[in-house]
Amino acid sequence: SAVISQKPSRDICQRGTSLTIQCQVDSQVTMMFWYRQQPGQSLTLIATANQGSEATYESGFVIDKFPISRPNLTFSTLTVSNMSPEDSSIYLCSVVWGDRGGVIYEQYFGPGTRLTVT
Amino acid sequence: GESVGLHLPTLSVQEGDNSIINCAYSNSASDYFIWYKQESGKGPQFIIDIRSNMDKRQGQRVTVLLNKTVKHLSLQIAATQPGDSAVYFCAENTHAGGTSYGKLTFGQGTILTVHP
Repeated sequence: SAVISQKPSRDICQRGTSLTIQCQVDSQVTMMFWYRQQPGQSLTLIATANQGSEATYESGFVIDKFPISRPNLTFSTLTVSNMSPEDSSIYLCSVVWGDRGGVIYEQYFGPGTRLTVT
Repeated sequence: GESVGLHLPTLSVQEGDNSIINCAYSNSASDYFIWYKQESGKGPQFIIDIRSNMDKRQGQRVTVLLNKTVKHLSLQIAATQPGDSAVYFCAENTHAGGTSYGKLTFGQGTILTVHP
């Protein structure tokens, strides 16, 4: 399995500021994703972090608000820009591990970054 | 740590009992399903998965059942222990065509509390 770490683990930020969250994986993975978990709710996919190209965003999420970088196969960043209290959530990095053909396929999540915007 | 399950369905069991957590999914095209366990202050932990060409899969103390006819998924935990207390999420994915790998749709989650 892949070991995923995130920095920071938590932060309290003022509205209008931006925070960059880092995700580091201990091995090369083809696919990396960013999810959001709002308080008391389930997880929602923000975007797919593509290595060497622009991220692919899900409906309701835009690059200007959540710019993503993925410079290599083990690292990605998510920035939450111009934050408001509604952005208070847990942000989670996720990777797909194994054979994309489906013989071996598991999906793992990082520990999350707990963001509070005041 | 903070709880992420303040508004979720709950299941309370006694230690040693068997637990059954249910999940309904909506996308008939989904062909891959995963159960995750999320403890307070942590990210989701992979428990077990099942593909749509199966209706049952067993792991260590856990069994997942899939009923595609009614779009229902269940997780059975045998001899539940206090360490099993957590929020449990089902997630679905569509692998056909290879374009949706990793793009999971999560259920609402269930809080499992195990009493000693």
